[in-house]
Amino acid sequence: GENVEQHPSTLSVQEGDSAVIKCTYSDSASNYFPWYKQELGKRPQLIIDIRSNVGEKKDQRIAVTLNKTAKHFSLHITETQPEDSAVYFCAVSGGYNKLIFGAGTRLAVHP
Amino acid sequence: KAGVTQTPRYLIKTRGQQVTLSCSPISGHRSVSWYQQTPGQGLQFLFEYFSETQRNKGNFPGRFSGRQFSNSRSEMNVSTLELGDSALYLCASSLERPGGTEAFFGQGTRLTVV
Repeated sequence: GENVEQHPSTLSVQEGDSAVIKCTYSDSASNYFPWYKQELGKRPQLIIDIRSNVGEKKDQRIAVTLNKTAKHFSLHITETQPEDSAVYFCAVSGGYNKLIFGAGTRLAVHP
Repeated sequence: KAGVTQTPRYLIKTRGQQVTLSCSPISGHRSVSWYQQTPGQGLQFLFEYFSETQRNKGNFPGRFSGRQFSNSRSEMNVSTLELGDSALYLCASSLERPGGTEAFFGQGTRLTVV
């Protein structure tokens, strides 16, 4: 069935360092790959997404890369700041607006 | 523009009872999805509705059901509650785009079953 694996489950970095989170998926038909950030006690919010016809997308300090052949995609955050501390979820489209989420990565950015 | 609104925000129910949760999508969004969030299982897809029709269903028992009204508002119902149903239930609304598009989440309803 559809499956999304996300690594690492926790990530601790110093302010200013880069953070990388990786996801692999099983359904080769998937063509939409969003990343959500969820701060403590708040709703998940989209931070960046990519479609299968694009290999990389950047938005200021955040970038996502997609390798459709290998079925994996990654989130890159540069120059991390304490306010980047949150849980990050990757997701894969599973038909219409169904999203299959990874297990999440708890990112801690230490000043 | 108002966001996705879920009511109630908190619920405490007893095992065996049933519960109904409500979700009002962003104006103009006709797709509404429901997710269950727990510390152990993460975010799991329950079902998705579009124009009052269920288009997708996740791997949950039949005790979990939903519906969508003509104004796109949606409800989900859980019957015969079990302790394991304690979770944050999130609703999301989306526009329609082939392959999927951004899901806008509500604040969620935190259900505690005692």
